[in-house]
Amino acid sequence: GAVVSQHPSRVICKSGTSVKIECRSLDFQATTMFWYRQFPKQSLMLMATSNEGSKATYEQGVEKDKFLINHASLTLSTLTVTSAHPEDSSFYICSARDRGGIYYEQYFGPGTRLTVT
Amino acid sequence: AQTVTQSQPEMSVQEAETVTLSCTYDTSENNYYLFWYKQPPSRQMILVIRQEAYKQQNATENRFSVNFQKAAKSFSLKISDSQLGDTAMYFCAFMNDNDMRFGAGTRLTVKP
Repeated sequence: GAVVSQHPSRVICKSGTSVKIECRSLDFQATTMFWYRQFPKQSLMLMATSNEGSKATYEQGVEKDKFLINHASLTLSTLTVTSAHPEDSSFYICSARDRGGIYYEQYFGPGTRLTVT
Repeated sequence: AQTVTQSQPEMSVQEAETVTLSCTYDTSENNYYLFWYKQPPSRQMILVIRQEAYKQQNATENRFSVNFQKAAKSFSLKISDSQLGDTAMYFCAFMNDNDMRFGAGTRLTVKP
């Protein structure tokens, strides 16, 4: 089956620093990747949608200068949280849609837990 | 914008029994897909079942089946012969083009 990896799985950073999270589709090409944020005991909130080779589309209320998304290839998208603050602490999940897929199904990564101290 | 509503924050069921999780959605689109995802404590999202809106036949996957009522915009999930491993958060999701929306989730506990 389609596999999506995320790295790192956990990261702790100091306030004011930047952190990068990688999302890779391991056995398929992803035309579109999605980034979500999930607070404890809450649902997934879509942050942005990225298509390979083009700028990401951000959801209303998501700061594009703070959450930089780069979809450099058909298998890799990165989310960089710039000048992180404690309120950015959360669980970040990426997903990818298979370029060859016939459904709108997304395959999810295992998530990254970000803690900003 | 599309919205997805799950009105049951928590549910429980005895092992081997049947439980139904409800989901309603709102959209003006005619073509879309609906999904149920399971999120166990590991937090890995796992696809349970999908339904294409243009198909009238309800999707089934082993012990999991849906009751899709397009006119009523309802998409419930039935789990038969519940197992302890079914304990998880369940999210109903709507997708159309590049838009995907999740419901708030239902925490299901299967009791031995």
